[in-house]
Amino acid sequence: AQTVTQSQPEMSVQEAETVTLSCTYDTSESDYYLFWYKQPPSRQMILVIRQEAYKQQNATENRFSVNFQKAAKSFSLKISDSQLGDAAMYFCAYGGQETSGSRLTFGEGTQLTVNP
Amino acid sequence: SAVISQKPSRDICQRGTSLTIQCQVDSQVTMMFWYRQQPGQSLTLIATANQGSEATYESGFVIDKFPISRPNLTFSTLTVSNMSPEDSSIYLCSVGQGISYEQYFGPGTRLTVT
Repeated sequence: AQTVTQSQPEMSVQEAETVTLSCTYDTSESDYYLFWYKQPPSRQMILVIRQEAYKQQNATENRFSVNFQKAAKSFSLKISDSQLGDAAMYFCAYGGQETSGSRLTFGEGTQLTVNP
Repeated sequence: SAVISQKPSRDICQRGTSLTIQCQVDSQVTMMFWYRQQPGQSLTLIATANQGSEATYESGFVIDKFPISRPNLTFSTLTVSNMSPEDSSIYLCSVGQGISYEQYFGPGTRLTVT
């Protein structure tokens, strides 16, 4: 079964600085999808970025980018020029054929604090 | 991405009662899911809501406790039955088209059982 591990329960960053959130996963598949979701205090889960495993190029969305290391099964999220609005819980998620029914497997989350 | 609404946004209920949560999407979607998120924790999938058939429940969740309906491709309900304080959680619905595993979430329902 797939597992997703976020080893950093909490992280903090100064406003305008860069922070990297870690995620590792376990799978025997070669084709799958990885996601980062953001959940601010409003509790709305927001899709931040998506990576398809067959694509070698790392995904980017404005200030958010990923470092996808397929062999190492690592999928970290980099937030550049951090803003106060980036403060939230961040969840890494995996979706693949082994996860039947198009379900996602979520990590335990990393609580990000942005200090002014 | 789809626009998803949930009703109610929050509720306080007495133990032993039931609450039905509604999830409405602004477009037809293939997949609809129901999650539970206990305070400070990650999301736990309760079930996949299947249009026109019985929901598919995850281990630890049963239909008698969490009956789910999905009458069409834009709407689903989750009922939390015979509630106890342990059912106090955020309940989230999500939707997906299944191809890319991408899911979009509703705003959630915060349930407190006293």
